[in-house]
Amino acid sequence: QSVLTQPPSVSAAPGQKVTISCSGSSSNIGNNYVSWYQQLPGTAPKLLIYDNNKRPSGIPDRFSGSKSGTSATLGITGLQTGDEADYYCGTWDSSDVVFGGGTKLTVL
Amino acid sequence: EVQLVESGGGLVQPGGSLRLSCAASGFTVSSNYMSWVRQAPGKGLEWVSVIYSGGSTYYADSVKGRFTISRHNSKNTLYLQMNSLRAEDTAVYYCARVAAAPPSYFDYWGQGTLVTVSS
Repeated sequence: QSVLTQPPSVSAAPGQKVTISCSGSSSNIGNNYVSWYQQLPGTAPKLLIYDNNKRPSGIPDRFSGSKSGTSATLGITGLQTGDEADYYCGTWDSSDVVFGGGTKLTVL
Repeated sequence: EVQLVESGGGLVQPGGSLRLSCAASGFTVSSNYMSWVRQAPGKGLEWVSVIYSGGSTYYADSVKGRFTISRHNSKNTLYLQMNSLRAEDTAVYYCARVAAAPPSYFDYWGQGTLVTVSS
């Protein structure tokens, strides 16, 4: 069982918007930045959002992140079929890294 | 260009040992914080270990006492020595660079190497 809680799956139609939640506690999300990773089928994870809401170079502004208290949210607008992937939130808890269980995004 | 290339995975019997390597290019391993993250088949990401630039090391409870993270400065390579392997250690193992002093995010990941523990 993962320390951070994510919904197992979300789905939406192309062009629509979807949000993925990540819930933790005061010892992890409540006191640290959250990052988000995208894992396309058969590939390694890739950084999508860091420091709660910053996008690395090359990540389109369709992807956004936010944090409030002990929860974080990833938002994706203008959904494309290429966005179908597993999405993971991550942060630190003391000297350990903790991840969410992952959310599978299906673009219908 | 930053690159991380893992190697050393394979099939090993329960109780056996394996050493994974992660060859880095485009940056200096010893000046950075480096980590191992694994993913069991069909499962999510699980953090395994981290080594700080100063040499401090930390481990997930599930591998503490069995796995050792280290680095070879002149080879610019990160290692994970895995002993007393169990079936539940079967996973793809990724090395990843921590972008800055922890707590921070993983900005680069390798392609992964598969470890299968089975008789």
